Amino acid sequence: DAGVIQSPRHEVTEMGQEVTLRCKPISGHNSLFWYRQTMMRGLELLIYFNNNVPIDDSGMPEDRFSAKMPNASFSTLKIQPSEPRDSAVYFCASSDRGEETQYFGPGTRLLVL
Amino acid sequence: AQSVSQHNHHVILSEAASLELGCNYSYGGTVNLFWYVQYPGQHLQLLLKYFSGDPLVKGIKGFEAEFIKSKFSFNLRKPSVQWSDTAEYFCAVEGNTPLVFGKGTRLSVIA
Repeated sequence: DAGVIQSPRHEVTEMGQEVTLRCKPISGHNSLFWYRQTMMRGLELLIYFNNNVPIDDSGMPEDRFSAKMPNASFSTLKIQPSEPRDSAVYFCASSDRGEETQYFGPGTRLLVL
Repeated sequence: AQSVSQHNHHVILSEAASLELGCNYSYGGTVNLFWYVQYPGQHLQLLLKYFSGDPLVKGIKGFEAEFIKSKFSFNLRKPSVQWSDTAEYFCAVEGNTPLVFGKGTRLSVIA
C-alpha cells in the first residue's frame, strides 16, 4: 500500500489567496484526520471524519477553514482567504476505525506570504 | 477530554546513552497510548502503542514504553541510543476523543 498520500508537498502563496490541500487515505480506512503542526502550538487536530462524515470540527481555527470528504478515498482542506499565520505543516492521517492507530501522510508545508 | 504532558522539550544524549522520555496524561477513563516519532523533514511514524494487556510494550528500533496507570504515565525508553534516533518524539493519548498529542520532545544524539 502506498500509505496516506498528500498533495501538494509544498505550497507557497500570497495572503488572500485560496489554498486547497488534498489527501488520499489508505484504502479501506474509514476514518480521516486533518492536523496542523506549528512550532508554537505543536500538533493540533483540526477535524476528523468517520465514513466520510465530519464528526468533530471544533479544532478548525475559524470560518476561513473548511474540509470535505466527498468519498472514501479523497478529502480536501481549504483555506480561503489565507493569512500568514496559517503557515504550518498540515498532516492528514487515516485509520481503519475511529479509535485505532492513525497512519500519517508526508504533510503539506504551507507558507503564506 | 484528555490532555498530554511531555516534560522534556529537548534532550541531548551521546551515542550509547540510555534514554527515557516522560509522558503523563490526564484522563480518568480507559485510554489507548501511543508514541510517534518524526525524523527531520518527515512525517509521523508509529513507534509503539498500548491498548491493553502487558503494560510493558515493545516497539520498533529497540524502543519500549511502560504504562503505569497509577501514575498516569507512559514513558518511552531505549537502553542505548544511536545517532539515527535523532528526531522528535510525540506521546499521544486516546480517551473519549481521538488522539491528543503532547508538544513533543526533541532528541539530539551526538557522536
